[in-house]
Amino acid sequence: DAGVTQSPTHLIKTRGQHVTLRCSPISGHKSVSWYQQVLGQGPQFIFQYYEKEERGRGNFPDRFSARQFPNYSSELNVNALLLGDSALYLCASTRAQASGPYNEQFFGPGTRLTVL
Amino acid sequence: QKEVEQDPGPLSVPEGAIVSLNCTYSNSAFQYFMWYRQYSRKGPELLMYTYSSGNKEDGRFTAQVDKSSKYISLFIRDSQPSDSATYLCAIIMGVQGAQKLVFGQGTRLTINP
Repeated sequence: DAGVTQSPTHLIKTRGQHVTLRCSPISGHKSVSWYQQVLGQGPQFIFQYYEKEERGRGNFPDRFSARQFPNYSSELNVNALLLGDSALYLCASTRAQASGPYNEQFFGPGTRLTVL
Repeated sequence: QKEVEQDPGPLSVPEGAIVSLNCTYSNSAFQYFMWYRQYSRKGPELLMYTYSSGNKEDGRFTAQVDKSSKYISLFIRDSQPSDSATYLCAIIMGVQGAQKLVFGQGTRLTINP
């Protein structure tokens, strides 16, 4: 079974531009979460989507938005890029309906965004 | 106060040493405590998790939770160069269907042959 896939692997943008990052979850997983990992820090939660609905939002500005498609893949969009948006953007998928109170999140390899 | 705080390291030890990685957390209501391992240029992968307090062992790895002091630890016995990675502690917040992971800063560990 393929794991979580993300594209592109690397991206270089300049300040003020817009970027779209893509994620395909593990087959059978219906929930996708996005995290931002700045160099030297732990990942920070941005969004969670389940069945195409937003289920959670972290403390990020409105420049960040996301959506989930009928096939459960997801896009993260960031407008008006700032230098501080340079980070590894991670996508994680989960079944969201597994038995028990905890649903493991499986992470993709991430997209490394550099803003110049 | 951050929900989870972790000694940032970096930590460098010789092969075969016992490694201790530590985190503290702020809210006594947290019940699930996770340890993730992240190799360079990869996403985090779940090593193990514990529920409530106590120890959990998996091969050379032991996770420990002390709820009285809000302290979580990961011990690695007989450390190997392949254990060199960044280790992230995390807690889960939210309910089923709307959960998020809150991570510590991560400790970069190097095992020297």
